[in-house]
Amino acid sequence: DAKTTQPTSMDCAEGRAANLPCNHSTISGNEYVYWYRQIHSQGPQYIIHGLKNNETNEMASLIITEDRKSSTLILPHATLRDTAVYYCIVRLTSNFGNEKLTFGTGTRLTIIP
Amino acid sequence: EAGVAQSPRYKIIEKRQSVAFWCNPISGHATLYWYQQILGQGPKLLIQFQNNGVVDDSQLPKDRFSAERLKGVDSTLKIQPAKLEDSAVYLCASTMSRGPTYEQYFGPGTRLTVT
Repeated sequence: DAKTTQPTSMDCAEGRAANLPCNHSTISGNEYVYWYRQIHSQGPQYIIHGLKNNETNEMASLIITEDRKSSTLILPHATLRDTAVYYCIVRLTSNFGNEKLTFGTGTRLTIIP
Repeated sequence: EAGVAQSPRYKIIEKRQSVAFWCNPISGHATLYWYQQILGQGPKLLIQFQNNGVVDDSQLPKDRFSAERLKGVDSTLKIQPAKLEDSAVYLCASTMSRGPTYEQYFGPGTRLTVT
């Protein structure tokens, strides 16, 4: 799986958009970009994933650059409950749904009141 | 839908003692994972089961760690004997294995402290 690079920590004011960058310059053509987050004392939680196109769901938006070497996770209106460690992961996805996740150290996002 | 259940939530033992963790995945999920998360680091995969068979245990320290999933449902992870460096959160996760599956569902974890 391709390696990712994320800032160690970020702050964001409550109510503002939180933009979390991720570099994955060695990503291959069939690897997806996944984002998970881990709130204190909980297990990681899936947020969103994408291959080439931008994606949006009820939690966040994922913007992937055209060359796919980087991406940005956007939390449009950050709340205090979004304070967590955010992990960007790239990996293959097959039809068997049994691929492992390789976590880095992630970005610690702190939402400030 | 019930989530992934793990027990106990916390465990404190002395080094050289043994300990076991239990995981009950989401009903119908064929793939089960055990991760180790040391403080300040991301989770690291220890072992992956598909039903009751091992898919990947390349990062499991087999001299002291063992895991089983006898009936393809619940799983136990055992450490014997424990070392100080085994202090970590042990996370269990599960996924369906039919069709493309993008989301792993994680349990709350078991926090192990070895003194």
